[in-house]
Amino acid sequence: GNSVTQMEGPVTLSEEAFLTINCTYTATGYPSLFWYVQYPGEGLQLLLKATKADDKGSNKGFEATYRKETTSFHLEKGSVQVSDSAVYFCALSVGDTGRRALTFGSGTRLQVQP
Amino acid sequence: DGGITQSPKYLFRKEGQNVTLSCEQNLNHDAMYWYRQDPGQGLRLIYYSQIVNDFQKGDIAEGYSVSREKKESFPLTVTSAQKNPTAFYLCASIRGPQGGEQFFGPGTRLTVL
Repeated sequence: GNSVTQMEGPVTLSEEAFLTINCTYTATGYPSLFWYVQYPGEGLQLLLKATKADDKGSNKGFEATYRKETTSFHLEKGSVQVSDSAVYFCALSVGDTGRRALTFGSGTRLQVQP
Repeated sequence: DGGITQSPKYLFRKEGQNVTLSCEQNLNHDAMYWYRQDPGQGLRLIYYSQIVNDFQKGDIAEGYSVSREKKESFPLTVTSAQKNPTAFYLCASIRGPQGGEQFFGPGTRLTVL
């Protein structure tokens, strides 16, 4: 089956620090990979995505590269801000399964201190 | 602006009652999904619907029911058979057969008293 494993949080950083949140996956088929962000009490927002090996998704200073050889999709940001404090979910979707639902990791809470 | 709306934002239920959560989208998306989120966990799929008048069970469908009479609407009923219904419920949609990213509503927090 499909699964996503994320590093456990919370991750606590000072403003302007470098961020890495690890994500690895197992999938039957050829997945698309996503990072979603959830702010307190809200739904999920797509942060970035990659649909094939070696693709790099990027948005708002966040980046992640689809690494098929290591089955990974680690999220990085060079300089975090207090406003980046949220829960981050790594997810995958295998389009040929028919249901196209997302399989999520357990989420990583990021706390950025001023 | 197009998007997904869920109502109510907060819902309280007594044990033994059925409750229905609303999900409406004006994105003209074909497929719609219901997920459940528990504290410290990822989202788990309850039900999904690829087209009108058709829906399928997800990974944790027991104690839930859905309908898809209109393309825009995908209500979820949490029945009294659901043993532990207190959770955050999220509705999502995808545009077409090629899939892609899912768009999420703001969620409904259900609490059983």
